[in-house]
Amino acid sequence: QKEVEQNSGPLSVPEGAIASLNCTYSDRGSQSFFWYRQYSGKSPELIMSIYSNGDKEDGRFTAQLNKASQYVSLLIRDSQPSDSATYLCAADTGRRALTFGSGTRLQVQP
Amino acid sequence: EPEVTQTPSHQVTQMGQEVILRCVPISNHLYFYWYRQILGQKVEFLVSFYNNEISEKSEIFDDQFSVERPDGSNFTLKIRSTKLEDSAMYFCASSGGNGYTFGSGTRLTVV
Repeated sequence: QKEVEQNSGPLSVPEGAIASLNCTYSDRGSQSFFWYRQYSGKSPELIMSIYSNGDKEDGRFTAQLNKASQYVSLLIRDSQPSDSATYLCAADTGRRALTFGSGTRLQVQP
Repeated sequence: EPEVTQTPSHQVTQMGQEVILRCVPISNHLYFYWYRQILGQKVEFLVSFYNNEISEKSEIFDDQFSVERPDGSNFTLKIRSTKLEDSAMYFCASSGGNGYTFGSGTRLTVV
């Protein structure tokens, strides 16, 4: 059974702080990893994709992948109240079927 | 920014009826998908579609469900004989090699 695990939160951080979101996955065959942001009642919106070990930065976002530990993380620098949402981690084994975690709810306090 | 378009945004149907959810994927994408999200639960994979055939499907995607690409732009999900537990948000997605773009979803309510 392929699983992607996330802490459901809520994770509460003050405005301007760094938010750190974590995710583990069970299927070692997973090749691609994605972070999506989902506002309540809306569809998932792609923030970052990462395919190889290490860090990948895009603006205020940094994704980190450690395949040996089966661990993916997302750092959000200078968090803004508009970043308040549920963040979904997803893994793809290459069979074109994403497995999603249940999401971590982030609250950025003004 | 190209987007995946889904219609209708909201569908209410009576139990036992058939529904068709429609999607227009991004035009140069080759892979198409349906996912669903029951209220308060995870996003779940249903099916992927490539080159006019199903390439992968989950255990959720049983004989009640079917997909079709009736023309060069539309991609549909048909749910036959709907059940109360089919009530969910249904998301269409497409991919062109770098991530999956999701549509805004159809909220299906079975009464």
